[in-house]
Parts: sequence; structure tokens; C-alpha cells
Amino acid sequence: DAGVIQSPRHEVTEMGQEVTLRCKPISGHNSLFWYRQTMMRGLELLIYFNNNVPIDDSGMPEDRFSAKMPNASFSTLKIQPSEPRDSAVYFCASSYRGNSNQPQHFGDGTRLSIL
Amino acid sequence: DQQVKQNSPSLSVQEGRISILNCDYTNSMFDYFLWYKKYPAEGPTFLISISSIKDKNEDGRFTVFLNKSAKHLSLHIVPSQPGDSAVYFCAARAGGTSYGKLTFGQGTILTVHP
Repeated sequence: DAGVIQSPRHEVTEMGQEVTLRCKPISGHNSLFWYRQTMMRGLELLIYFNNNVPIDDSGMPEDRFSAKMPNASFSTLKIQPSEPRDSAVYFCASSYRGNSNQPQHFGDGTRLSIL
Repeated sequence: DQQVKQNSPSLSVQEGRISILNCDYTNSMFDYFLWYKKYPAEGPTFLISISSIKDKNEDGRFTVFLNKSAKHLSLHIVPSQPGDSAVYFCAARAGGTSYGKLTFGQGTILTVHP
């Protein structure tokens, strides 16, 4: 079974450039989550979607960050313009939200470096 | 405001012995708890979970214990193996409108020596 697929695995770009991270959730999952991991703050939730609808974006740090989920099999996280402090590992996760508790399954992340 | 805390940054154990990883939480609304394992350059991998209606859940070598009155959970690995060496995160979720939002601890680095 294919897990959560993220691309690119690594991204190095200069400050001020637009960055787009991509995620394909596990087929059949109806919830999708974007996390950021840094040394200072650990793993923190940025935003999550249920049935392609954003439910909670309270973790999105600034208006420079935006996320979309145009269909059940694809999501993007965009940073425009990017800044050096955005450097981190960004994870996407998915799960099935039903009547019982279900764990979130993570992709292998995108390591983002803003110079 | 750190709602989920793993107070031990690292733990070292001998192969074959028990590993005990601990986690404390402050939010009494948390009703579902999970443990994840993470290897370098990979995403967290789900290990085991427990609902707040239980106090123990087992899956092979892994057992999670939940003490709701103390707001404490622990993960026991018996016997420990070198392949268990990784970073372990505990996570918690509240129900209701917070459904889906996981709060993670800072992680504990487990090293199992052959």
C-alpha cells in the first residue's frame, strides 16, 4: 500500500521566492494535516482538512503561508514570500475520520532551507 | 504552554532489557493518545495508541499504560532491540471541536545497545 507521498524531499531556495510543497494522502483517507518540525518548537500542526475543507488553520504562522486541497488526493502548502526562519521539515499526514479513533499516518517530509 | 511533555530527552538501554518512555499531559480534554517512532530522514511512524476509556493497550513487544488521574502515559518495550533505536514521540488529541488536532511532545531519543 502506498503511504503518504510528499514532494519535493528537499528544497533549497533564496529568501523571497515562492515555495510550494505537495502532498498525496493515502487513498481512502478523508483528513489531511500539515505539520512543521523545528528544533525550537518541535512538531506543530499548521492546518488540517476534513473532506477537502480546511477545519483549523490556527497554526499557520502568517499570511505568507497558505494551504489548499482541491481534491481528495492532493494538497499544497505554499509560502510566499519565503524567509530564512521558514527553514524546517514540513510533514503531511492523513487519516480516516470515522466513528472510531484512527491514527494519522505521516509522509517522509520536505526539508526546506531558505537562504 | 506545552500541553504534552516528555521530560527525558534521551534513554539508553541494553538489548533484551525493558525500555520505559514517559509522557505527561496537562489538558484534561485529551481523550486519545498515541506513540510514534521516528528514524532520521523519515516521517513519524505510528506505533500504538490508547483511548482514555482504557488504562492499557498491548501490541506485541509494545505496551502503553495510561494513568488519567496522574495525567501520565508510558510506553514499555520488552524486550528492547537495537532496531528500536529512534526518537519516540507521544501525542494527544482532544475530542469535540479539536478532533483531529494532535499535540506532540518534544520526543525522547532511545538508544538500544547490543
